[in-house]
Amino acid sequence: GESVGLHLPTLSVQEGDNSIINCAYSNSASDYFIWYKQESGKGPQFIIDIRSNMDKRQGQRVTVLLNKTVKHLSLQIAATQPGDSAVYFCAEEEAAGNKLTFGGGTRVLVKP
Amino acid sequence: SQTIHQWPATLVQPVGSPLSLECTVEGTSNPNLYWYRQAAGRGLQLLFYSVGIGQISSEVPQNLSASRPQDRQFILSSKKLLLSDSGFYLCAWELGAGYTFGSGTRLTVV
Repeated sequence: GESVGLHLPTLSVQEGDNSIINCAYSNSASDYFIWYKQESGKGPQFIIDIRSNMDKRQGQRVTVLLNKTVKHLSLQIAATQPGDSAVYFCAEEEAAGNKLTFGGGTRVLVKP
Repeated sequence: SQTIHQWPATLVQPVGSPLSLECTVEGTSNPNLYWYRQAAGRGLQLLFYSVGIGQISSEVPQNLSASRPQDRQFILSSKKLLLSDSGFYLCAWELGAGYTFGSGTRLTVV
């Protein structure tokens, strides 16, 4: 079936550097994408979302890029901080769909 | 503001015992509601979703069932738990603008 996947299961980054987390999706009918952050023992927290009519969206220290041609999604975190250490999930939803499909997750470890 | 409540936070149950996990939402009406399960170190798997009272869609065959007796209440149940039912169970709601997750229930079946 359709799926969302991630290229890197673990990303180690130096504090203050920028982080880039990548995600590939295969469902061309998906039109809504979300990045979530999950800290240990907690539920996922919304970070940023993007719809398929956009290719870039910026938040506070985070940017999501969407390349529909190659079905690729990325999350950029500027000036990574220790509090950014967590597992990050991308998720997709089909147009007129009612359910979110998650990728496998990338663990980000911030080194002091 | 909208909030979502899940309880209990942790649960240890013997194999063969029943299960009932409850999720309630406040501050919204007629949301879509979801139950996800997360195995240790893995992604989230959608188990059930509901678009309205009494309407349940099951995503994967399993030992669990779900019910939505009220608009803002979503219940996950099992008559007899299996070891493989262990995991982190997350409830979420959605109303056209992103999904909001509860804090989860860590279930350990022993």
